[in-house]
Amino acid sequence: DGGITQSPKYLFRKEGQNVTLSCEQNLNHDAMYWYRQDPGQGLRLIYYSQIVNDFQKGDIAEGYSVSREKKESFPLTVTSAQKNPTAFYLCASSSREGRTSTDTQYFGPGTRLTVL
Amino acid sequence: AQTVTQSQPEMSVQEAETVTLSCTYDTSESNYYLFWYKQPPSRQMILVIRQEAYKQQNATENRFSVNFQKAAKSFSLKISDSQLGDTAMYFCAYQSNFGNEKLTFGTGTRLTIIP
Repeated sequence: DGGITQSPKYLFRKEGQNVTLSCEQNLNHDAMYWYRQDPGQGLRLIYYSQIVNDFQKGDIAEGYSVSREKKESFPLTVTSAQKNPTAFYLCASSSREGRTSTDTQYFGPGTRLTVL
Repeated sequence: AQTVTQSQPEMSVQEAETVTLSCTYDTSESNYYLFWYKQPPSRQMILVIRQEAYKQQNATENRFSVNFQKAAKSFSLKISDSQLGDTAMYFCAYQSNFGNEKLTFGTGTRLTIIP
């Protein structure tokens, strides 16, 4: 089955720890994205990557880091510098047509991160 | 910067009835894309429908259709013959045709279908 997987489904972190959220896709999509969802709010973009070995900051990148070493994988690290990391994190991917990625973004099932 | 507004935090409707969810947006661009996503209790974001701004014809997907009013910057979602499985949060989203292709989301409408 083609799709986007995220792991783990639930993650607990102690204050001061870094944690890494996994996102893998087998859709052969070029672009991948990380969004954060807080209660009562829509999703906000953290980081995105249009090609391997390249990524850009989104609207709320502070306290987060990413890598894109493989087309299929786009892990997100939540560092201790992120002051309020408790949230629901969603990964998405899309194919690219021409020079701009105007294709639809498809989402993974998400990871719920809780800071203890 | 683009903004998306969903002014109905919660709605409820009887099963089999029709319901319309509202969305307005603000942009200075002429070409862009609009989406409705559904987020059921599982929290998986599922694409419902997509509209390209340069197309005048309203998009339709089975029981779901949109009323796209470009001049008014309005993009409402109509669900016909509503079913219990339609119970979910619904998010309206905007995507520019230029730049980083991010989705800008509204705050969502929680829709409950009553049996």
